[in-house]
Amino acid sequence: DTGVSQNPRHKITKRGQNVTFRCDPISEHNRLYWYRQTLGQGPEFLTYFQNEAQLEKSRLLSDRFSAERPKGSFSTLEIQRTEQGDSAMYLCASSFSVAAYGYTFGSGTRLTVV
Amino acid sequence: DQQVKQNSPSLSVQEGRISILNCDYTNSMFDYFLWYKKYPAEGPTFLISISSIKDKNEDGRFTVFLNKSAKHLSLHIVPSQPGDSAVYFCAASRGILGGAQKLVFGQGTRLTINP
Repeated sequence: DTGVSQNPRHKITKRGQNVTFRCDPISEHNRLYWYRQTLGQGPEFLTYFQNEAQLEKSRLLSDRFSAERPKGSFSTLEIQRTEQGDSAMYLCASSFSVAAYGYTFGSGTRLTVV
Repeated sequence: DQQVKQNSPSLSVQEGRISILNCDYTNSMFDYFLWYKKYPAEGPTFLISISSIKDKNEDGRFTVFLNKSAKHLSLHIVPSQPGDSAVYFCAASRGILGGAQKLVFGQGTRLTINP
């Protein structure tokens, strides 16, 4: 068990470009979460999956954002037509369905939109 | 609408003394509370949690206290060690019995332990 893995660790992109991030959760975990963290703030919930089903999406997840977990294993988060306001750390986490001990987070992907 | 607030952006404590980090929440529907610790360039790491049916939970040097009437929780670290220097996030959830779902985080408090 190598924990939650996120790739890439850093991404610099030009405004208007599309970007895709990948998250590989802990293999036994059936829940997967995406959060976004901006400077000086705590993580903000974006969406979560139970197996391959996307169960909840935040209003922060605009139409330009889409997340998938096609086989209930890894997940991708895509941002289309990036804007400077999308610059943030994107965190992925995973857990069991009944997890009284919280999630396990990955190290995150830092996105910079220039 | 900041439902979970950590009003102290930073805290400095001498090694060996007690560190007390505070957190306030506004949503009375929250029934589970967690503390995470974050080092630079790493994701948050779960530290300790407490259910709303309890008022105290202890794990080694870490104790979390919950005051539901005041909608306030605190994390006590005794004794504080240099390795405790990190950013600490308070988080809250609803319906934890159904599994950890959406967590609402505070802004974080940067704790520095001085030798």
